[in-house]
Amino acid sequence: DAKTTQPTSMDCAEGRAANLPCNHSTISGNEYVYWYRQIHSQGPQYIIHGLKNNETNEMASLIITEDRKSSTLILPHATLRDTAVYYCIVRVLNSGGSNYKLTFGKGTLLTVNP
Amino acid sequence: DTAVSQTPKYLVTQMGNDKSIKCEQNLGHDTMYWYKQDSKKFLKIMFSYNNKELIINETVPNRFSPKSPDKAHLNLHINSLELGDSAVYFCASSQKGNQPQHFGDGTRLSIL
Repeated sequence: DAKTTQPTSMDCAEGRAANLPCNHSTISGNEYVYWYRQIHSQGPQYIIHGLKNNETNEMASLIITEDRKSSTLILPHATLRDTAVYYCIVRVLNSGGSNYKLTFGKGTLLTVNP
Repeated sequence: DTAVSQTPKYLVTQMGNDKSIKCEQNLGHDTMYWYKQDSKKFLKIMFSYNNKELIINETVPNRFSPKSPDKAHLNLHINSLELGDSAVYFCASSQKGNQPQHFGDGTRLSIL
């Protein structure tokens, strides 16, 4: 799986948009970008994933640059409950065996302030 | 309804003991996983089963033995516990190996 680089920490004001960047400059053509988050004392939670088009669901939006070397996770209206470590992961989607695993990095600690 | 449930939530035991952690998922998923999160918060895959068949076995001491009696359950048995085994162990499942994974809330294992 391609290596990802994320800032160690970020702050965001409650009610504002949180934009979390991720660099994945060595991403391969068949690798997807996944985002998970881990709220304190809980298990990781899937947020969203995409290949090259921008994606949106009820939790967030994912913006992937045209060259696919970086992406941004957007939480449109951050709340205090969004305070968590956010992980950007790239992995092959249509493959089996050992490629099923998620390789977590250090992630970004997002702190949403009142 | 809890999708992926692990028991126990907390486990405190002495070095040298043998213990088991149980995991059950009610999502009808085919693939299940065990991850370990150490004191530095790094989360690493240990094992994965697909329809009761072992498909991922990372470099884990053979004191750790996963068992999948059916595709809804993946238990983890640990023999001769060591201090370095202290960590949070997460179980996860996915519809197929390439689908988003759903995690349990973890089992916090402390070795005295």
